[in-house]
This record gives sequence, structure tokens and C-alpha cells, in this order.
Amino acid sequence: NAGVTQTPKFRILKIGQSMTLQCTQDMNHNYMYWYRQDPGMGLKLIYYSVGAGITDKGEVPNGYNVSRSTTEDFPLRLELAAPSQTSVYFCASSYGTVNYGYTFGSGTRLTVV
Amino acid sequence: AQTVTQSQPEMSVQEAETVTLSCTYDTSESNYYLFWYKQPPSRQMILVIRQEAYKQQNATENRFSVNFQKAAKSFSLKISDSQLGDTAMYFCAFMKLLNYGGSQGNLIFGKGTKLSVKP
Repeated sequence: NAGVTQTPKFRILKIGQSMTLQCTQDMNHNYMYWYRQDPGMGLKLIYYSVGAGITDKGEVPNGYNVSRSTTEDFPLRLELAAPSQTSVYFCASSYGTVNYGYTFGSGTRLTVV
Repeated sequence: AQTVTQSQPEMSVQEAETVTLSCTYDTSESNYYLFWYKQPPSRQMILVIRQEAYKQQNATENRFSVNFQKAAKSFSLKISDSQLGDTAMYFCAFMKLLNYGGSQGNLIFGKGTKLSVKP
């Protein structure tokens, strides 16, 4: 049982480049989330999805895009990377009721130079 | 808007002793959920304990327990018999319901408390 898998684990981007952070879960969870964690801070929600084909913005969506074509996958797209996007990115999923909480991936450390 | 405040950036405790991490939050909602997450150096976010606001009884999970004071909007975490493996960042989080309703929500995190357990 893999849980939530994120790839890559580390990446260095140049300013203006684009990339996609991959997230896959094998628990048949309806809800999926992308968070970013800046140094010395808690996590902030970028985008979330309540099911295939349905996504919505979180607290800090600017500079990012998402799609949810399947229940398992929830990729995060960075267009025109900027130094302000240097952060650790976490994907998470949940069953849909609070009692089950969230399952987090192990994170992607992204540096934009 | 909901906010979560952890006033202790760093704490340390001797192995086998007890430590309490503080958390306060601000909300106008009456029904919500509170969580403590642990983030060890591996970066993995691990759920430690959860509390439903409508429950008066404090949640416990083995060596971990909370002191939930709803009127004071306080949610502290007590770790008993501290172990070296408890060394980690600890995040307090408040769950706000998503726009689509239902019973799932967005977690709003505090800035964290770095706990070091010393041998």
C-alpha cells in the first residue's frame, strides 16, 4: 500500500521554466490537496479537488494550475517559475470525512534560481 | 478568517519527562476540528491526534493527549514519557470546511514548534 506518492523529491528550476509536480494516491480517496511549506512556516493550501473533474483554488493559487482527470492523480503545474515559488510542496488526500484525516506524501523540495 | 498561533518556536525536554506544546486559534465558527501533526526530519507529515470541537472530552492517543479549552480557544498537546523519536516539528491545525460543504475541510496550520528530546 503506497499511500500518497510524490515525484520528484527534489528539483532545481531556472526562473521562467515550467514543470509539473506529480501526485498519485492508491487509496481511492475523493479529496486531494496541494500545500506549500515555506521555511519556518506551516503549510498553506494551493489547490484542492473533491473528485475527478472538480478543482478549486485554495489560499495561495497564483502561479499554479491543477487538473484532476482521474481519482488517483492530481498533478500541480508551475508555469514561468519565480524565486517566490521556492518551497516544499506536499500533496495530500483524504477519504472525505474528517474522522479519517489526511494522508500526506513525502514532499517535493523545489528551488527556483 | 481563521488563524492558528503557536507561541513557542522551539522547546526541549529530557527523555522520559512530560512536555506541553501550546496552540491558540481564532474562529467564529461553532463546529470545527483541531489537529496536531508531527513532522520529523524525514519531512513526512504524521497525524498525532484530532479533536472535534463539539466533544467536551479531551482526546488521547497513547502518550499524547490534548487540553481543549473551547471558550479560551486553546488546544495544547501534552506528550508524556518523551522519547527520542518524538523529536520533530509539531504543527497545530484547524479544519475549515471547504466550499463544497460536506464534512471535509481545508487545514489551516500554525507556524510550528520545534521539539527536541534530549537523552
